[in-house]
Amino acid sequence: GDSVTQMEGPVTLSEEAFLTINCTYTATGYPSLFWYVQYPGEGLQLLLKATKADDKGSNKGFEATYRKETTSFHLEKGSVQVSDSAVYFCALRPNTGNQFYFGTGTSLTVIP
Amino acid sequence: DAGVTQSPTHLIKTRGQQVTLRCSPKSGHDTVSWYQQALGQGPQFIFQYYEEEERQRGNFPDRFSGHQFPNYSSELNVNALLLGDSALYLCASSRRGLAGGNVLIYEQYFGPGTRLTVT
Repeated sequence: GDSVTQMEGPVTLSEEAFLTINCTYTATGYPSLFWYVQYPGEGLQLLLKATKADDKGSNKGFEATYRKETTSFHLEKGSVQVSDSAVYFCALRPNTGNQFYFGTGTSLTVIP
Repeated sequence: DAGVTQSPTHLIKTRGQQVTLRCSPKSGHDTVSWYQQALGQGPQFIFQYYEEEERQRGNFPDRFSGHQFPNYSSELNVNALLLGDSALYLCASSRRGLAGGNVLIYEQYFGPGTRLTVT
């Protein structure tokens, strides 16, 4: 069935470090892929998305490229800030049906 | 423009009781999905409503039921509460589109959630 696998956390980085959070997926066809962020005590916010292979989603300095050949959608940021500390979720929506599948989340802490 | 709102924020119930959670979607959205997020886990899809009917359901027992009203707001009901039902319940709203004859949702906007504790 459809699923998402994220790298396990927690991840701790110093400010201005490079961030990669790995995400791979299992799905038939061409799902849409998403990254959501959850700040402490809040609901999920859409960070970026990609709806077809080779698309690059980007927002607030974060980027992720939809790689069909490796079934991956890794999240990257060149220089993290303390304010990026949150839990990041990778998710997919299959190309048929509207059920979203989420990964288990990766907690990021950025220290000054 | 108000985003997705949920009520109540927190709730404490006893095993065996019933609970109703409420969600108002973002303006212009007609579809509501409900998710259960256990501590330290990702959200798990419960079900989705549009046009006042349940359209898709995840792997949850029928103790979990819902409703959508003509103004697109929605309720989630859980009967015979178990300790394992303790979680953050998230509502997500979206606007449907059509692609290749299929109804598809491209983005979901989440509410802040209702924290349910079952004792």
